[in-house]
Amino acid sequence: NAGVTQTPKFQVLKTGQSMTLQCAQDMNHEYMSWYRQDPGMGLRLIHYSVGAGITDQGEVPNGYNVSRSTTEDFPLRLLSAAPSQTSVYFCASSAGLAIYNEQFFGPGTRLTVL
Amino acid sequence: KNQVEQSPQSLIILEGKNCTLQCNYTVSPFSNLRWYKQDTGRGPVSLTIMTFSENTKSNGRYTATLDADTKQSSLHITASQLSDSASYICVVSASWGNDMRFGAGTRLTVKP
Repeated sequence: NAGVTQTPKFQVLKTGQSMTLQCAQDMNHEYMSWYRQDPGMGLRLIHYSVGAGITDQGEVPNGYNVSRSTTEDFPLRLLSAAPSQTSVYFCASSAGLAIYNEQFFGPGTRLTVL
Repeated sequence: KNQVEQSPQSLIILEGKNCTLQCNYTVSPFSNLRWYKQDTGRGPVSLTIMTFSENTKSNGRYTATLDADTKQSSLHITASQLSDSASYICVVSASWGNDMRFGAGTRLTVKP
């Protein structure tokens, strides 16, 4: 199993550009989520999904869109990139929300917005 | 104010020594507390998870403790190795859904 994969690993955008961060998992997990990690701060939840066709907002959803058309894929779209979106983005998946379900993280995408 | 505070922010120890990392939280109602290890340039990897009724959990040389009354947890690393150099993140979940609150982490450096 590849686990959780993310592409690209690095990306530089200009202000106003749009792009999609890809996330895929091969563990048949129902729950997937996107976080951003900024220096000196804990990871913050952007959006999450409890299954195909179901998504919801997390703590910091503004400027981001998601969709979940399949169990495996959970792309994150930046509609109009801003310098405040410079961050490291992590995708994660788990079998569900039960307490002992381990959450598996991808390797991250480092995004810089100029 | 962050609901999960970790200390120290960073720590340098010599290989073979022990160390203890602290996590204080205000998340309520409490469901569970997890410790993750995050190597540089990688995603976090789970070390331990504890619920309200558990006050200690071990994973090899890592031992986590939880005092739900004082809302404190610690992660003790025994006989440190160079590969322990990483950030250690405390994550506390409330009793509803997926509300996980992440601490900012402690950056541990183990030197030979």
